This record gives sequence, C-alpha cells and structure tokens, in this order.
Amino acid sequence: AQSVTQPDIHITVSEGASLELRCNYSYGATPYLFWYVQSPGQGLQLLLKYFSGDTLVQGIKGFEAEFKRSQSSFNLRKPSVHWSDAAEYFCAGTGGFKTIFGAGTRLFVKA
Amino acid sequence: DTGVSQDPRHKITKRGQNVTFRCDPISEHNRLYWYRQTLGQGPEFLTYFQNEAQLEKSRLLSDRFSAERPKGSFSTLEIQRTEQGDSAMYLCASSATTRGAQETQYFGPGTRLLVL
Repeated sequence: AQSVTQPDIHITVSEGASLELRCNYSYGATPYLFWYVQSPGQGLQLLLKYFSGDTLVQGIKGFEAEFKRSQSSFNLRKPSVHWSDAAEYFCAGTGGFKTIFGAGTRLFVKA
Repeated sequence: DTGVSQDPRHKITKRGQNVTFRCDPISEHNRLYWYRQTLGQGPEFLTYFQNEAQLEKSRLLSDRFSAERPKGSFSTLEIQRTEQGDSAMYLCASSATTRGAQETQYFGPGTRLLVL
C-alpha cells in the first residue's frame, strides 16, 4: 500500500539552529513529492516539490529538501530556523490524482 | 489574490443538522479536490473532480456526504444528518493539468466544522 511516513510527531529547535524534518515514502514507483506548511487554523502552503531531475530541491522561505531514492526519503532542511517557522509540516506524495499525506511534524522554536 | 477560497471558514452545528460548504478554486484550474483533516493528522482524500465530473470517491465519503461541481467551477460539499465524528477541517484544493506538466495542488484555508 502507498504511504508517507513522518517519524517525528514534534521537534523543538532553538532559533538560529539548523533543522531537518524526516519523511519516508512507500510507493510502487517514485511518486511526486511535496512539503507543505500549515499554521494554526490555516490551510496548507506549498514549500517545495520534487518531480524529477536534480535531487536537491529549493523552496520558499529558505527551505530545501533532498530526494534519496535508496532510502525512500525526502527530508526537509533549513540551515537557520526563525521563530516564524513554528508550524506543522506535512510531507505528501502522489502517484496520480490522489495525494497521500504524512501525519505531520509540529515544529516548536525556542528563543 | 486569486487563490482557492472556502466558505464558511467556521461552522458550528447540532448533531443531525445538514451543512453545506463551498469551494471556489483558482479560476483556470480544472481539477478540484476535497480533503478532511482531523486533529493531529494529515489531510485525508475524500473526492476529486475533473471539470464537472466526479471521478473518484474515497470510502471515507459515506452516503451522508455528497459533493457537486455543477459547472466545473465552484464546488459544494454537503453533509447530511451530521454526527460528532464529522467534526474536522474540510480542505479544498485545485490544480491544473497541462500536457507534459505535473500538477501541484493548491489549498484553500479550510472550513472548520464542529458538531455539537
């Protein structure tokens, strides 16, 4: 069965520290992969996406993600976290019209 | 801003009542999706339209749920005889299909439903 897994329910990092959010996928073929961010009570904003080509993908707000086929992973990174990055982050994959989301990782940023 | 819009943003209703939500997609997008998101979970796919045709429905969409997209533009999601378990955020997304290009779904702000 197709699935997207985010192993960390929540992560706390200090402002200015680096960040990595993990995402693993299970699909018959390589899916199209996305990272979304959701602030409390809001919809989802697309951070970045991977379809093919360069495995290091740049997104908005200084985020990047690296696709690793051998590890079935698509981890999100940011070199220096800002307090405004505190939110819930969702990894998602699609093999067609249906997008499957992970359960999300809530990011807390401490001063 | 011509993003996806949803109305209402919040809805409180009593168990057994019917509710209807509206989604207006990005104007040039031909695909429209509904998702449900419960607390602490990621969005779960409910249904999908290409233009006015409803092409897929999740088993999560019981007989009490119905969605329409009559002219291939806006869509409505109706829940009849609401139950407390229907309390959730209902998200709408839209995308465009272009030959040779892969679609990205853009989400609206959601409608948060609370069934008392």
